[in-house]
Amino acid sequence: ETGVTQSPTHLIKTRGQQVTLRCSSQSGHNTVSWYQQALGQGPQFIFQYYREEENGRGNFPPRFSGLQFPNYSSELNVNALELDDSALYLCASSLGQGGLTGELFFGEGSRLTVL
Amino acid sequence: SQKIEQNSEALNIQEGKTATLTCNYTNYSPAYLQWYRQDPGRGPVFLLLIRENEKEKRKERLKVTFDTTLKQSLFHITASQPADSATYLCALDDTGTASKLTFGTGTRLQVTL
Repeated sequence: ETGVTQSPTHLIKTRGQQVTLRCSSQSGHNTVSWYQQALGQGPQFIFQYYREEENGRGNFPPRFSGLQFPNYSSELNVNALELDDSALYLCASSLGQGGLTGELFFGEGSRLTVL
Repeated sequence: SQKIEQNSEALNIQEGKTATLTCNYTNYSPAYLQWYRQDPGRGPVFLLLIRENEKEKRKERLKVTFDTTLKQSLFHITASQPADSATYLCALDDTGTASKLTFGTGTRLQVTL
């Protein structure tokens, strides 16, 4: 158990709706990264938050947005949901941008299904 | 274009044998290469990180090699056990942060008795 918790674990939405996913980072970790993992694929980097500021973004459209709070927990928001947004959304925390060992601690993910 | 390739076909080996998984990459100059294990429906779990100036890293039954000339990493599990059955993901970082990772699609390992 890594100490990174994500909610909800599963959810179903319809096209055009909006969703908010939440992540509590491991105690003491100030960096949160979000990844999208489609079925049968590896995780894809969405963006990272470091000390409440966005610190790098992958190839995702602006309808994917996020926040990090003073306690370092984070939210991922996706607007105008599309069918292709169906995936496992993973949150990973680390101490600093790379940590002492470079290790990322992943949560168990939020499984989003868009109908 | 940048690409990370892992064997998409599952690797089936017998208990006690050494499993070797391959990760090849093109058009990257990674500062770090990491290996993760992922079980079905679970988040990835970190196994090992190797830096660009390191050739080999070991941790218990695991060994990783990193050849920046061949642009390849090999991941070995010695004395494999059925509990090692999982998908193994290779991940690169070329931003120097070790946290903005680009993952391969993973190789599924099945260890049988």
